[in-house]
Amino acid sequence: DGGITQSPKYLFRKEGQNVTLSCEQNLNHDAMYWYRQDPGQGLRLIYYSQIVNDFQKGDIAEGYSVSREKKESFPLTVTSAQKNPTAFYLCASSQGKYTGELFFGEGSRLTVL
Amino acid sequence: DAKTTQPNSMESNEEEPVHLPCNHSTISGTDYIHWYRQLPSQGPEYVIHGLTSNVNNRMASLAIAEDRKSSTLILHRATLRDAAVYYCILRDQGYNNNDMRFGAGTRLTVKP
Repeated sequence: DGGITQSPKYLFRKEGQNVTLSCEQNLNHDAMYWYRQDPGQGLRLIYYSQIVNDFQKGDIAEGYSVSREKKESFPLTVTSAQKNPTAFYLCASSQGKYTGELFFGEGSRLTVL
Repeated sequence: DAKTTQPNSMESNEEEPVHLPCNHSTISGTDYIHWYRQLPSQGPEYVIHGLTSNVNNRMASLAIAEDRKSSTLILHRATLRDAAVYYCILRDQGYNNNDMRFGAGTRLTVKP
C-alpha cells in the first residue's frame, strides 16, 4: 500500500547526541515536510523540500538538518544544538500542485533524557 | 506565522451539526483553503479543501464566504469519533510557495 513511513516510532537519546529520524514515502510525491508538535500545541514547520536536492527552512529550523538525496526519502537530524528536542515529529508529503493534500506519517516521539 | 485564526476549542453534542469557523482575512486570490484534523497521538488527516465555491465530501462540507476572508467546516452529524483538533490552512497554488503552515487549530469535544 502507498503511504508514508516514519521510524522509529519512539526514540530516547541522551543530551548532546545527534539523532536521525527516517521518513520514506512511496506515493511519488514531489514535496515533503517535517513538523514538530509539542504537547497541546499545533504543528510547527521545521523544513520542507519541493524537489530532490533542494530544501527550505521553515519557522523553527535552528538545531535541525535535513537532506533530500532521493525523491522518496527526507530524513531529519536533530542535532545537539537543538536546545529542547523532546517532541512529537511528523513527516508529510504532497504532490507539488496547489490542490495536493498532505499525507502524514504516524510520527516519531523523541524524548531526551 | 499561520495565516488563519480559529477558536481554541469548541464543544458539540453527539449527532448534532458542528460549524467550525476559520478567519483568513489576508487570503490571496491564489490560496486554496484546506482543512485537516488530528486524532490523539496520530498524524493529521486531510478533510476537505476549496477555492471559492462550497464543497461537499463524505466527511464534511466546506462553506466559503463570498469575500473568501472566512470559511466554515461543517460536520453534519457529530460522532464521538469526530473529537479531534481541526486545522484550517491556506495553500498557495503557486508551485514556488509550497510551505504548509499550521496554526494551533480548534479542539473539538463531542459529548454523548
